[in-house]
Amino acid sequence: DSGVTQTPKHLITATGQRVTLRCSPRSGDLSVYWYQQSLDQGLQFLIQYYNGEERAKGNILERFSAQQFPDLHSELNLSSLELGDSALYFCASSVGRLAGGNNEQFFGPGTRLTVL
Amino acid sequence: GESVGLHLPTLSVQEGDNSIINCAYSNSASDYFIWYKQESGKGPQFIIDIRSNMDKRQGQRVTVLLNKTVKHLSLQIAATQPGDSAVYFCAENLYNFNKFYFGSGTKLNVKP
Repeated sequence: DSGVTQTPKHLITATGQRVTLRCSPRSGDLSVYWYQQSLDQGLQFLIQYYNGEERAKGNILERFSAQQFPDLHSELNLSSLELGDSALYFCASSVGRLAGGNNEQFFGPGTRLTVL
Repeated sequence: GESVGLHLPTLSVQEGDNSIINCAYSNSASDYFIWYKQESGKGPQFIIDIRSNMDKRQGQRVTVLLNKTVKHLSLQIAATQPGDSAVYFCAENLYNFNKFYFGSGTKLNVKP
């Protein structure tokens, strides 16, 4: 158990809908990262927040948005869902701003999103 | 964006043998690399990392080798065990920019 929690575990929805994925980082971690893992594109970095502020942005679509709240939990909002958005969405957390080295990322168990 | 690729999508080894998983990266400016292990139904787990100012780093039963000349990264697992069966990803990063680019993964099967 990494200490990172994600809810829900599974989510099934229809095209055009909007969903919110939730992540609680490990106690004491200030950074939260979001990743998308799909069969055809592998693991892709979406976005990072550090202590409530956006820190780094990857291949995140405009239909997707995220935020980190004062209690440090984070939400990833996916709107106007398409079939291709079906994927595993992982959240990771780390203590500091820069991932790696002594600032290892710990991944949650993921949310499996299925868009029908 | 950057692309990180793996040469072998599936690798089968006998328990007790050494495993070598390879990875090619595309950005010569990348200065930080990580290997992750992902077991079925779980999120990726950090294994070992290496900075570009090093060419080798050892952990517990694992060694990462970096060849910047040919932009190649490898993960060596000594005395492979059934618990090592998983998908392994390499990732590259420009450290101060904090954007990781992952390879497609290599599945390691350890035969008892």
